[in-house]
This record gives sequence, C-alpha cells and structure tokens, in this order.
Amino acid sequence: DAGVTQSPTHLIKTRGQQVTLRCSPKSGHDTVSWYQQALGQGPQFIFQYYEEEERQRGNFPDRFSGHQFPNYSSELNVNALLLGDSALYLCASSLFRGGTPNYGYTFGSGTRLTVV
Amino acid sequence: AQKVTQAQTEISVVEKEDVTLDCVYETRDTTYYLFWYKQPPSGELVFLIRRNSFDEQNEISGRYSWNFQKSTSSFNFTITASQVVDSAVYFCALIRHGSSNTGKLIFGQGTTLQVKP
Repeated sequence: DAGVTQSPTHLIKTRGQQVTLRCSPKSGHDTVSWYQQALGQGPQFIFQYYEEEERQRGNFPDRFSGHQFPNYSSELNVNALLLGDSALYLCASSLFRGGTPNYGYTFGSGTRLTVV
Repeated sequence: AQKVTQAQTEISVVEKEDVTLDCVYETRDTTYYLFWYKQPPSGELVFLIRRNSFDEQNEISGRYSWNFQKSTSSFNFTITASQVVDSAVYFCALIRHGSSNTGKLIFGQGTTLQVKP
C-alpha cells in the first residue's frame, strides 16, 4: 500500500523564480493538505484541497497556489520566490468521508526547497 | 486562537532511561483532537496517536504512553526504556473539530530527542 509520494525530493531555485511541487496521496485518500516547515520549526498549514477545490487556507500570501487533479494528486505552486520560502514542504493526505472529517493524516517525506 | 507549546527544545538521554515530552495547548473549542507525530531525519511525519477532547483516558502502546489532562490543557508523551531508534523530532498537534475545518493542524515547535547508547 503506497503512502504519500512527493516530488522532487530536493530543489534549488533562484529568488524571483517559480516552483511547482507535486504530491500523490495515499491510496484511498481524497484530500490533500500542504504544509511549510522552516528549519527548526513546526509545520505551518498552507491549504487543503478536496474535490479539486481549495477547501481551507492558512495565513500564506497569494504567491502560494495549488491545484488538485481528478485522480486526487495535487500541486503546490509558489511564484516570485523569496529567500524566506526556503523550507521543507510536506504533503498530507486524508479521507473526507462525504462531509465527516477524518483526521487520519498520512504525510509524505517532503520536498526540500532552497531559494538562493 | 489555538496554540500548541512544546517548551522542551532538545532532550538528551542515555539508552534505557525514561523520558517525558511535554505538550501544552490552548483552544476555546470544546471539541478538538490532539496528536503526536515523530519526524525522523528522512522528513516524513509518522503518526503516533490521536486523542479527542472527550476521551481523557491515558493510553499505553508498548514503550509509549500518553497522559491527557484537560484540567491543565496538557497532552504529555512518555517513552519508557528509551532506545537509540527513538531519536527524532517529536511534534504535538491540535485540530479543531468541525466540517469547516478538516485540514488545519496546529503544530508545536517540536522537541528534538537524542538517545545516546
């Protein structure tokens, strides 16, 4: 049973560039959440996607956007990269049982983004 | 507002010692869930336990045990007879229950546990 898969594992970008990170949820899950984890900090919620729509959003600027595909996989896009965007980006999948939240989250190993 | 505080930034113990990781949370909600996750160097968050706000029973799973006390807003985690493989960063997290909030886990800063042989 495959867990959550994220790609790429590592990425180096230059300030001002744009980046796309990808996430495939655990088999059977339909909801994807994204988190940013700066070095030495706890993860911070970016947003969550369900039924191809952004369902909930944390306190992140519009430079952070996402997408969910019909197969439940998801992308996180960050525009106009800043040095402060350097972090580990974690994807978590879960099952939203037709209106009843399921709090069983499975996390991927993350994408380490370095902005230089 | 919701908040999770893990006051212990780093803990170092010798193998076979018992160790307790503290977690204090703040929330005005009556229904919520608390979690503990382990983050090894590989990066993924490994689920350890989930507890809802109406279940204050302590839980034991092998060498792991959890003490949930609503009166002090604490959800502490104890590892008995620690092993080198327990070395990792541990996170306590909180989520408010509700159909409008299905994804926003609030994490503490994490506690780095180092178990020396």
